[in-house]
Order: sequence, then structure tokens, then C-alpha cells
Amino acid sequence: DTAVSQTPKYLVTQMGNDKSIKCEQNLGHDTMYWYKQDSKKFLKIMFSYNNKELIINETVPNRFSPKSPDKAHLNLHINSLELGDSAVYFCASRSGGGQGFTYNSPLHFGNGTRLTVT
Amino acid sequence: QKEVEQDPGPLSVPEGAIVSLNCTYSNSAFQYFMWYRQYSRKGPELLMYTYSSGNKEDGRFTAQVDKSSKYISLFIRDSQPSDSATYLCAMSGYLGAGSYQLTFGKGTKLSVIP
Repeated sequence: DTAVSQTPKYLVTQMGNDKSIKCEQNLGHDTMYWYKQDSKKFLKIMFSYNNKELIINETVPNRFSPKSPDKAHLNLHINSLELGDSAVYFCASRSGGGQGFTYNSPLHFGNGTRLTVT
Repeated sequence: QKEVEQDPGPLSVPEGAIVSLNCTYSNSAFQYFMWYRQYSRKGPELLMYTYSSGNKEDGRFTAQVDKSSKYISLFIRDSQPSDSATYLCAMSGYLGAGSYQLTFGKGTKLSVIP
């Protein structure tokens, strides 16, 4: 009965490949996110998305593209994978639209997808 | 200077100890302050939150915010082995022109030794 679920849990692939990570939330939340956590545990936002607006962190390479088939799903597609893409990718969601992060609409995270590029 | 600074540790304490975790920040627009706990191989989960300055207590956990010093703390009393995790501070605020920001610290890894 996981609130935010991601698949796959682990992903090992070679440089140059294209891969996708899937995320689903059953919380009825309006906004979903992708975060990247590097080997030093630094958690950095990549995208935020709701029905109306996609906001892209300007530091994210355009090889990364979010795709949302519906409100409960936000997938992450990565083209031409590079060694530096190795990290844990977290999907998250929260209620409400806009970007305001407040105590009454906290982020709910999935358990992450551990991507290793060889 | 990074916007949010957090000592990554690791921090090891004996069971029953009082733990103090801290973050400093530079952006005075931050108004909401949160602590997330992340167990190994899991996603972060919200542990505590405070708005503006002051203290908030929840069981063995106390969150403190000192906006004048741009300093936040999380205290854990009577620490338990189950508290062993990485603790990430996070803070948010309105930066104007419709722009918000949620920024995480790098996390402090805590081990509570039985």
C-alpha cells in the first residue's frame, strides 16, 4: 500500500543507453517531483510538475525529460546515459499546486531508484 | 557560501544520549524549516517542521529555529538505535516573482550504538 512507488528499484546500464524510471502516487496529490541524490547524499530537485506547469531546474541536462501520462504518474526518461548520471533518483509528491512548500503540504518520497551507469 | 550548510558527520552516540543536529543558512527569505529522516535504502520522510522562529516539541524530538542567527537545530532526547539514520534539514521560502524554493542540507548520518 505504498504511497509513492518507483520502479525499478535498481537499474544498472551502460553508457549511451536510454532508460526510463516510473513513478506512481496514490495520495491524490497535485504536484510531483524528481530529485537526484548523489553519493554524498545531497538531494537536489530536478523537476516539479502538475497539470498546469512543468518547472525544470536549469542545471538539469536536456537528456533528462519528465513525462506525465496522468496526475498520478510522473516518469523520468534519460537519453544517452553518462557515468555522472549514477545516483539515486527519488520521486516525490505533495498536495496543492504551485511551488510553495509549507508544513501542511510536505513532500512524500518514494524509496528511490539506484541507477548505476557503467 | 552554500545556501544551507549541514555537517555530514558521521555522528556516533551511545544509546540514551542527547543528540544535537544543526544547519545554518544564508537566505533570509526562508520561513519554513523542516527535518527529514532517511533510513538506509529508503526515501526521506518528514520528521518535524517549524514556521519562523521558535521551538517545537514532539515526543523525544525538539526542533529549534533562530532566524536572527540563521541557525536551526534538531534535538533528540534518550536516543535509540532505531534513530540511526541520516537527518536532512530542509527549508523553504518565497523568493518573489512567484518563485519558491525548497533547499535541503546534505544530511547528517547518525548512529546510535546500543
